[in-house]
Amino acid sequence: DAKTTQPPSMDCAEGRAANLPCNHSTISGNEYVYWYRQIHSQGPQYIIHGLKNNETNEMASLIITEDRKSSTLILPHATLRDTAVYYCIVRVSNAGGTSYGKLTFGQGTILTVHP
Amino acid sequence: SQTIHQWPATLVQPVGSPLSLECTVEGTSNPNLYWYRQAAGRGLQLLFYSVGIGQISSEVPQNLSASRPQDRQFILSSKKLLLSDSGFYLCAWSVWAEETQYFGPGTRLLVL
Repeated sequence: DAKTTQPPSMDCAEGRAANLPCNHSTISGNEYVYWYRQIHSQGPQYIIHGLKNNETNEMASLIITEDRKSSTLILPHATLRDTAVYYCIVRVSNAGGTSYGKLTFGQGTILTVHP
Repeated sequence: SQTIHQWPATLVQPVGSPLSLECTVEGTSNPNLYWYRQAAGRGLQLLFYSVGIGQISSEVPQNLSASRPQDRQFILSSKKLLLSDSGFYLCAWSVWAEETQYFGPGTRLLVL
């Protein structure tokens, strides 16, 4: 799976949009971009994933550049409860059962939402 | 909807004692199951994964073992704990090997 690069920390004011960047310049054509977050002392929580097109769900939006070498996770209206470590992961998906689905978590971005 | 349970939530054990952590999944059949460990201040490390009852694959050599006695039950064990076994143990499940993984609440283990 391709390697990702994220800033170690970011701050955001409550109610404002939080834009978390991720670089994945060596991503392959069959690799998806996944985002998870981990609130202190809890298990990681799945947020969103995408391949080429931008994606949106009830939690966030994912913007993937046309060359797929970078992406941005957007939390449209950050709250104090969004303070967490955010992980950007690229991995093969729908590989026909040839891989066991290992997730490789890096250090992530510590997002702090302040009042 | 699917839910995943882990217990206990926290555990303090002496060095050399045995370990048994349990993970169960509800609301799905034949899930892929995973055990991860997170050391303090570090990322997650995959320890074991299972694609079916009795089928266990180990990702890294270690003092731990895993078993899957039932379709939706995954157990992490050790005969003799080491200090280095301390950490946050997370169980996860997915529908297929390459699909989204969903994590349980975790068990925090402290070996003294």
